[in-house]
Amino acid sequence: GAVVSQHPSRVICKSGTSVKIECRSLDFQATTMFWYRQFPKQSLMLMATSNEGSKATYEQGVEKDKFLINHASLTLSTLTVTSAHPEDSSFYICSATGGEVNEQFFGPGTRLTVL
Amino acid sequence: AQSVTQPDIHITVSEGASLELRCNYSYGATPYLFWYVQSPGQGLQLLLKYFSGDTLVQGIKGFEAEFKRSQSSFNLRKPSVHWSDAAEYFCAVAESSGNTPLVFGKGTRLSVIA
Repeated sequence: GAVVSQHPSRVICKSGTSVKIECRSLDFQATTMFWYRQFPKQSLMLMATSNEGSKATYEQGVEKDKFLINHASLTLSTLTVTSAHPEDSSFYICSATGGEVNEQFFGPGTRLTVL
Repeated sequence: AQSVTQPDIHITVSEGASLELRCNYSYGATPYLFWYVQSPGQGLQLLLKYFSGDTLVQGIKGFEAEFKRSQSSFNLRKPSVHWSDAAEYFCAVAESSGNTPLVFGKGTRLSVIA
C-alpha cells in the first residue's frame, strides 16, 4: 500500500509554545488529508479535512485558530498546534487519499506531550 | 449521522483459540466498512475492507469479516489467534471508499494468553 509519514513521531513542549506536525504522502499525490486525534484509551476522532490548495474544514468543537492546517502541496499537510496547553496532549494521526488511491492510508502518528 | 459500536472494550483469548470481535454500524445507505489494528503507540494498519460484492471479506494476517446487512454488523474473525495479535482493533465506517473521513468505533483491546 501507499506510504504516509509523519514528523516528528514524538514531541514534548512547554505550555504556550507552538508545535508543527508534518504529514507526507511518499508515493502518491494526496488531494485530501485528514487529521485525527486520539486521547488515551479513546478512539480516533476527526479534527479536520484538508484539501490541497483550499482551506481546511474543521469538525465541530475544533478551534481553527488553535489548530492551523496547511495543505500547500499534493504531498504535504501540516498541523500546527498554537499556544499548546496540557489538555492538547494527545496522539495526532493523519491519513491521506487521492487520485487513484481508493482508501485512506494512515501515518504512524505523533505523540504530543505538553508540560 | 454515521456511528459505529464495538460492544466489547476488552477481550482475552487463549493462543490458538478462535476470535470474534463485534462491530455494529448505523448508516442509511450502503456503508464502506473497515477494520484496523493498532499496536501500542503505533499508527493504524488496515486489516480488511468491505465496499461491495461478496459479504465475506478476507484480510491480512488470517483475519476475515462478514458483512450482514440485516444485522448492521461487520464482525471480525480469526480461527486461531497468535500472541502477536494482541493489540487494539478498530472498526470504522465511511460514506465512500476514500475521500470521506472515517468514523471509528471505540475499539476493542485484545489480550492473548498462553
